[in-house]
Amino acid sequence: DGGITQSPKYLFRKEGQNVTLSCEQNLNHDAMYWYRQDPGQGLRLIYYSQIVNDFQKGDIAEGYSVSREKKESFPLTVTSAQKNPTAFYLCASRGTGSNIQYFGAGTRLSVL
Amino acid sequence: SQKIEQNSEALNIQEGKTATLTCNYTNYSPAYLQWYRQDPGRGPVFLLLIRENEKEKRKERLKVTFDTTLKQSLFHITASQPADSATYLCALVWVGNQFYFGTGTSLTVIP
Repeated sequence: DGGITQSPKYLFRKEGQNVTLSCEQNLNHDAMYWYRQDPGQGLRLIYYSQIVNDFQKGDIAEGYSVSREKKESFPLTVTSAQKNPTAFYLCASRGTGSNIQYFGAGTRLSVL
Repeated sequence: SQKIEQNSEALNIQEGKTATLTCNYTNYSPAYLQWYRQDPGRGPVFLLLIRENEKEKRKERLKVTFDTTLKQSLFHITASQPADSATYLCALVWVGNQFYFGTGTSLTVIP
């Protein structure tokens, strides 16, 4: 998985609960991304960060939040405002000057 | 907004044949076009990149073409093997590193 670790592999959320997905990379990459993948749909960008302490919304940021306090870490919180959170979540990173994204193994989130 | 279309249906081919996957896009051409492989329950893995001013790129049994007039990329796997069975995603990258991924094409190589 190219030095990117996502945890947990499976996650269950109860109604009204916030959950946090972890993403850690040891590739010394500046840019990190969060995508959501649903069956029959492409990867949709939730948030991305080009540098520590800075991040931007992607196409479907509503109901999600992120932080980038360390270069290695880019956790994603799925808030209770996200009404349809069931999906496969992918974290990726990219080195400065590179156009290649390296992905983690993903977290599958389901609602109880 | 940019629209990216890949083969709408799953592709099944016989082992040893050449698999050809398509990626079509609308609007303006990207600076780069990439192909990734994704296995079930795993993250995508980068395979090949082709630039706007390149017509063709090869890597072992893989070949990618990029036609900015047709707004299309073709991805070929020659001498296909069952191990090539996976979903293949195309990704368009614009200046500023804006990435947009297609929905993917599921390929099954039948022994």
